[in-house]
Amino acid sequence: DIQMTQSPSSLSASVGDRVTITCRASQGITNDLGWYQQKPGKAPKRLIYAASNLQSGVPSRFSGSGSGTEFTLTISSLQPEDFATYYCLQHNTYPLTFGPGTKVDFK
Amino acid sequence: EVQLVESGGGLVKPGGSLRLSCAASGFTFSSYSMNWVRQAPGKGLEWVSYISSSSSSIYYSDSVKGRFTISRDNAKNSLYLQMNSLRVEDTAVYYCARKGLTNWGQGTLVTVSS
Repeated sequence: DIQMTQSPSSLSASVGDRVTITCRASQGITNDLGWYQQKPGKAPKRLIYAASNLQSGVPSRFSGSGSGTEFTLTISSLQPEDFATYYCLQHNTYPLTFGPGTKVDFK
Repeated sequence: EVQLVESGGGLVKPGGSLRLSCAASGFTFSSYSMNWVRQAPGKGLEWVSYISSSSSSIYYSDSVKGRFTISRDNAKNSLYLQMNSLRVEDTAVYYCARKGLTNWGQGTLVTVSS
């Protein structure tokens, strides 16, 4: 199985901050990676697909990059509605595997 | 608008069974593969199972293989998860999600407890 790791596991930030979350795969997954945002009590929402493509309707302050084994989600200017938990997901190989999540909260 | 609505969750004793359903609308259900994903209370996301559009390909996570069965009825625009031999560790919110995990339902809670 492909293992996914994320760093950091949590971070504290302020509105307007630039935030970067890293996801690493235990083996190459080309660009078969998505990023998801989840708020408490809600279903996850996909932000990024194919590592760097912005899902329709998602604000442009979100961006993704990377290929192979290392990927990054960047929020260019954190907004109040962005405080949430973020997960990466590899869909290159079954079983699909998620990263453990990164919780973004108020500093 | 794509809509996925799960149902069938509830409280069940260890060793018991439950059948989850996911009603799909707003897209051509028969053209899309589907997945089940779960989330234990306070924990991360775990993929559970996949079924192709024609049911010709099916995959399971090791944690549920042999106990859970995914199926679909394209005529009814519905996805199912038959869960047998339930364990305490199967307690979670179960989500159905469309191909590529693009769209998700709101989830249904399954609690396995004596």
